[in-house]
Amino acid sequence: AQTVTQSQPEMSVQEAETVTLSCTYDTSESDYYLFWYKQPPSRQMILVIRQEAYKQQNATENRFSVNFQKAAKSFSLKISDSQLGDAAMYFCAYGGYGNKLVFGAGTILRVKS
Amino acid sequence: DTAVSQTPKYLVTQMGNDKSIKCEQNLGHDTMYWYKQDSKKFLKIMFSYNNKELIINETVPNRFSPKSPDKAHLNLHINSLELGDSAVYFCASSQGRWHPVAGELFFGEGSRLTVL
Repeated sequence: AQTVTQSQPEMSVQEAETVTLSCTYDTSESDYYLFWYKQPPSRQMILVIRQEAYKQQNATENRFSVNFQKAAKSFSLKISDSQLGDAAMYFCAYGGYGNKLVFGAGTILRVKS
Repeated sequence: DTAVSQTPKYLVTQMGNDKSIKCEQNLGHDTMYWYKQDSKKFLKIMFSYNNKELIINETVPNRFSPKSPDKAHLNLHINSLELGDSAVYFCASSQGRWHPVAGELFFGEGSRLTVL
């Protein structure tokens, strides 16, 4: 079974600075998707960014980018120019065969002004 | 318009009661899910339906019974509620059924269930 590990329970970043959240996963599949979801205090789950495993190019969405290392099974999220509104719980998720997402335990991101 | 809507958003009830949570999506998606988020924020899939057909049934007590009257609706009924059922229950939908996951999951706002 696939597993997703987020080793950082909590991270802090100064406003306008850059922070990287780590995620590793375990799978024997060759084709899959990886996601980062954000859950603010409102508890709504919001997609931040998505990466297809067959694409070598790292996905980017405005201030959010990923470092996808397929061989190392690593999928980190970089947030540049951090803003107060980025404070939330961030979940890394794996989507492969079976049409379900497997989530990591989450990383709480705190943004200091 | 809300893409995935769940009702109620908050539910407080006594042990032993039966309760239901309703979910509707207006995205035209074929697949719907129920996820449970426990007190430690861990998200775990419970059920998935594709076009009214149950396709994922994780190890969930049979007190939990999902029902999908049509592909836009997926309800969750819970019998004989226990303290451990207290959690946030998320409904979600996605476009496709088979691998790979065709796109991301679109989540509802969650329903916080508190069992006293």
